[in-house]
Amino acid sequence: DTAVSQTPKYLVTQMGNDKSIKCEQNLGHDTMYWYKQDSKKFLKIMFSYNNKELIINETVPNRFSPKSPDKAHLNLHINSLELGDSAVYFCASRGTPGGEQYFGPGTRLTVT
Amino acid sequence: GENVEQHPSTLSVQEGDSAVIKCTYSDSASNYFPWYKQELGKGPQLIIDIRSNVGEKKDQRIAVTLNKTAKHFSLHITETQPEDSAVYFCAAGKGTGANNLFFGTGTRLTVIP
Repeated sequence: DTAVSQTPKYLVTQMGNDKSIKCEQNLGHDTMYWYKQDSKKFLKIMFSYNNKELIINETVPNRFSPKSPDKAHLNLHINSLELGDSAVYFCASRGTPGGEQYFGPGTRLTVT
Repeated sequence: GENVEQHPSTLSVQEGDSAVIKCTYSDSASNYFPWYKQELGKGPQLIIDIRSNVGEKKDQRIAVTLNKTAKHFSLHITETQPEDSAVYFCAAGKGTGANNLFFGTGTRLTVIP
């Protein structure tokens, strides 16, 4: 059983397009996250969503917007894609406060 | 905000030897320190974590030590095996609320058979 799943696994698109990445967790967790991993493998938190409270990393451009239709899903929408958005994006979820974060398999976004 | 530094960036060891990866953090309020292993093409997976109320934790061949005063923590892998080859990340967080984690820059461990 997949705990945290993401679709698509690969996404290739052109500059200026708008795209979405979907994330679903079947763990019943209350908190979900989006991370960006750049070409040097650096993992950086983008958003956390905990009980309908969105906490945004202030360095994330407002072209990025997370949307949570329900507790099990946290999708990532990106408008006006730029070359620098190319990276691997990971969704994660966490159950108990201070508990382990479970990561999805990642979505490799390539902007050409 | 929190700043986590990790060393070394690459590490090669012979099979059976030990590997040590070190991290430092800047925010004295951080109290949760997980270590993640990332294999090629996969998401990070937790291998061990430690909280600030203990100084050491061990799970079979893996151990983590924490020095709160010096604000550093280390991962120790003994009797390394080729399947230990991966990128390892340390992280620090406050363990409350959303518990955002701040990751180190990763260590690529290669175990040579």
